[in-house]
Amino acid sequence: EIVLTQSPGTLSLSPGERATLSCRASQNISSTYLAWYQQKPGQAPRLLIYGASSRATGIPDRFSGSGSGTDFTLTISRLEPEDFAVYYCQQCGGSPLWTFGQGTKVEIK
Amino acid sequence: EVQVVESGGGLAQPGGSLRLSCAASGFTFNSYDMKWVRQAPGKGLEWLSHISSSSSIIYYADSVKGRFTISRDNAKNSLYLQMNSLRAEDSAVYYCAASKQYYYMDVWGKGATVTVSS
Repeated sequence: EIVLTQSPGTLSLSPGERATLSCRASQNISSTYLAWYQQKPGQAPRLLIYGASSRATGIPDRFSGSGSGTDFTLTISRLEPEDFAVYYCQQCGGSPLWTFGQGTKVEIK
Repeated sequence: EVQVVESGGGLAQPGGSLRLSCAASGFTFNSYDMKWVRQAPGKGLEWLSHISSSSSIIYYADSVKGRFTISRDNAKNSLYLQMNSLRAEDSAVYYCAASKQYYYMDVWGKGATVTVSS
């Protein structure tokens, strides 16, 4: 089973600051199969990044993804008020076939 | 507008059954793989099941294998999840998600709440 571990669990930042979220896989995964989602309270998840670094349609360019192998990063260059949410990484190809990290909450400091 | 809308959630007794539906619109449904993902209260996301665009490939998570059945009707732009032998731990919000590429989930519904309790 491929386990995705996200860190930190909670990130307390102010609007305008840079957020760096980590997702570490228990074994190598192809960058093609790594995605990031944003979820706000009471809402469905929204696809932000696929293929580790490609932004989904309509996602602002302050969101960027990077990484390879076992270490992946989601960066929000300047936090906007609407960016405070929970972020999940997700991989495909292990067993179970699709797994999510436990999430990182980005909260207002 | 591209969207998927779940329905059929509600209260079920342990050992009981429920059938969730997901209606798709605004995109070419028969070109997308589909998935069910759930989220227990206060918890993270758990993938449950995947069905390819033609229904030829189906996968289940171990937690629901043998109890849940995924299906789709491309003529009706609809996805289904038949849930049998429900347990308290199946209580969650169930999301339908569309995948243009099978390895990620482009479009998500708002979810259907399932509560399993006596």
